[in-house]
Amino acid sequence: DAGVIQSPRHEVTEMGQEVTLRCKPISGHDYLFWYRQTMMRGLELLIYFNNNVPIDDSGMPEDRFSAKMPNASFSTLKIQPSEPRDSAVYFCASSKQGKVEKLFFGSGTQLSVL
Amino acid sequence: GQQVMQIPQYQHVQEGEDFTTYCNSSTTLSNIQWYKQRPGGHPVFLIQLVKSGEVKKQKRLTFQFGEAKKNSSLHITATQTTDVGTYFCAGTSGSARQLTFGSGTQLTVLP
Repeated sequence: DAGVIQSPRHEVTEMGQEVTLRCKPISGHDYLFWYRQTMMRGLELLIYFNNNVPIDDSGMPEDRFSAKMPNASFSTLKIQPSEPRDSAVYFCASSKQGKVEKLFFGSGTQLSVL
Repeated sequence: GQQVMQIPQYQHVQEGEDFTTYCNSSTTLSNIQWYKQRPGGHPVFLIQLVKSGEVKKQKRLTFQFGEAKKNSSLHITATQTTDVGTYFCAGTSGSARQLTFGSGTQLTVLP
């Protein structure tokens, strides 16, 4: 099993540009989570999906952030327009269906917005 | 909303010393999980505790879940340099499916 796959590993962009982060969850996992990690705020849940349907997006900072899951094997997190305060590590994680299952995290995308 | 606090934020120990990190929730937890994140890496699941007062061990690591299910601890006996990293607790409350992560304890082990 390849685990959760995220791309790109690093992204450097200029303020105002659109950024798209990608995630492939583990096959057979029904839940997909997007987290953001910063020194100041730690690990924050942005949004999560169950069977490709967004369940809770209350953690999405603002309208500049959007996430989609068009099928069971792919999800995107888009920031448009990006701002320097969006600089962080963005993790995607997946888990199986169940009461509460452990999360499997991807390697993350290190985003730097200049 | 639910808040999960961890102390200490940082801990430096000499190799061979013990280490403990504490996790406290503002609400009663349904379960608690612990994760380890190596420097530059991603969080990796260590264990899950569900029952009040539960204690689990993994080699030199001992995990406890409080009787009131509002706190938890991770104790490492005789730390090694391979224990370096940030340890996070994460819990759910009620019927919520999503985990709320604590702020983490960053452990440095000096050789």
